[in-house]
Amino acid sequence: EGQLVQSGAEVKKPGESLKISCKASGYSFSRYWIGWVRQMPGKGLEWMGIIYPGDSDTKYSPAFQGQVTISADKSISTAYLQWSSLKASDTAMYYCGKFGGDEPIWFGEGGSWFDPWGQGTLVTVSA
Amino acid sequence: EVVMTQSPATLSVSPGERASLSCRASQSVSNYLAWYQQKPGQAPRLLVYGASTRATGIPARFSGSGSGTEFTLTISSLQSEDFAVYYCQQYNNWPPAFGGGTKVEIK
Repeated sequence: EGQLVQSGAEVKKPGESLKISCKASGYSFSRYWIGWVRQMPGKGLEWMGIIYPGDSDTKYSPAFQGQVTISADKSISTAYLQWSSLKASDTAMYYCGKFGGDEPIWFGEGGSWFDPWGQGTLVTVSA
Repeated sequence: EVVMTQSPATLSVSPGERASLSCRASQSVSNYLAWYQQKPGQAPRLLVYGASTRATGIPARFSGSGSGTEFTLTISSLQSEDFAVYYCQQYNNWPPAFGGGTKVEIK
């Protein structure tokens, strides 16, 4: 099944840049899509986007296209989520998740469920 | 985009009782529907995928059903550790989307 371990909490000012990480272990990192989910304070889950580490193919939900960048380094089994200019509204918990299943199968147009999940990275943006 | 609507927003249930959570899609998502449980301060945990297949290690008291636009997660006899927020997610259409969640609280 594997395990995902995310980088620690961050406190940033508006306008600053940030890159958070999600390190995978226990499975073949290059073969499974891995994605990011936002949870704003007291709110629900929002699907952001995914990356296929094997060839860095990336897909974004329209709500997040152009707002963040997802990348991966397969040499160290790590996925990233980055911002070039943070806003206060980016304050949230961010989770990474691996596409589920024993085999890397793409279902329908949306791909798959997430399993497992990382423990989350809290990003706080405040002046 | 497919909109996922969960109801009720909050469900008050006594321990040992049965709970039924609803998830409705604005258009058919076939059976490409997952359910997650999230406890305070924790990451979501997968319960069900493919609308009705329990994930590894999930107790049999959790069951998923439905297809198309109407789905249900049933918890047959609520245990203390089941009080949490539950989310559905469709992955049939692009972009994938979560429902708004149902909070199951102690009555």
